[in-house]
Amino acid sequence: GIQVEQSPPDLILQEGANSTLRCNFSDSVNNLQWFHQNPWGQLINLFYIPSGTKQNGRLSATTVATERYSLLYISSSQTTDSGVYFCAVGGSSASKIIFGSGTRLSIRP
Amino acid sequence: EPEVTQTPSHQVTQMGQEVILRCVPISNHLYFYWYRQILGQKVEFLVSFYNNEISEKSEIFDDQFSVERPDGSNFTLKIRSTKLEDSAMYFCASWDTTNVKLFFGSGTQLSVL
Repeated sequence: GIQVEQSPPDLILQEGANSTLRCNFSDSVNNLQWFHQNPWGQLINLFYIPSGTKQNGRLSATTVATERYSLLYISSSQTTDSGVYFCAVGGSSASKIIFGSGTRLSIRP
Repeated sequence: EPEVTQTPSHQVTQMGQEVILRCVPISNHLYFYWYRQILGQKVEFLVSFYNNEISEKSEIFDDQFSVERPDGSNFTLKIRSTKLEDSAMYFCASWDTTNVKLFFGSGTQLSVL
């Protein structure tokens, strides 16, 4: 099955800093999403981005499907950005969407 | 925004007991899922359900697990004889084909003693 790797596993930054999180996947995908798991455990969908670039406020994401990676950019980090960021991928149907191991982001005031 | 609802939020059970975790997915979604997350670890796929049958399942989803959609709204995960290692947060999710988003419930924290 598809393997999903995320890096770095942990990231500690000061408030205001920018960050780049990476997701590599082992096979072609038709479904790629980024999630934020907040400190209360809720999983929030950030982007659906199997290819191309999207932006939403301070967050943006880029997926280069031909090279099998996706990047999540967070600019001007705030303490509320803390949590775990997961990349999740799937094939042509939505029947199986698997998660990477996540990047734990800690933003210090 | 519509929500996936899970009950209970916490469940404590004795090893060997059966538990049923309940979910109400978003009504017009077609795919439903169960995932689990052991404390501090990644979110693991258990099973997906489409058109009233299992679509895919992982190696974790063995004979002690089953899923049902007993009526038009509920989606349940049953664990027949719980083990200590079943202790985890269990998430239900549903797939919005129109907006291509996976919506998650708030989870049920299962503790097996």
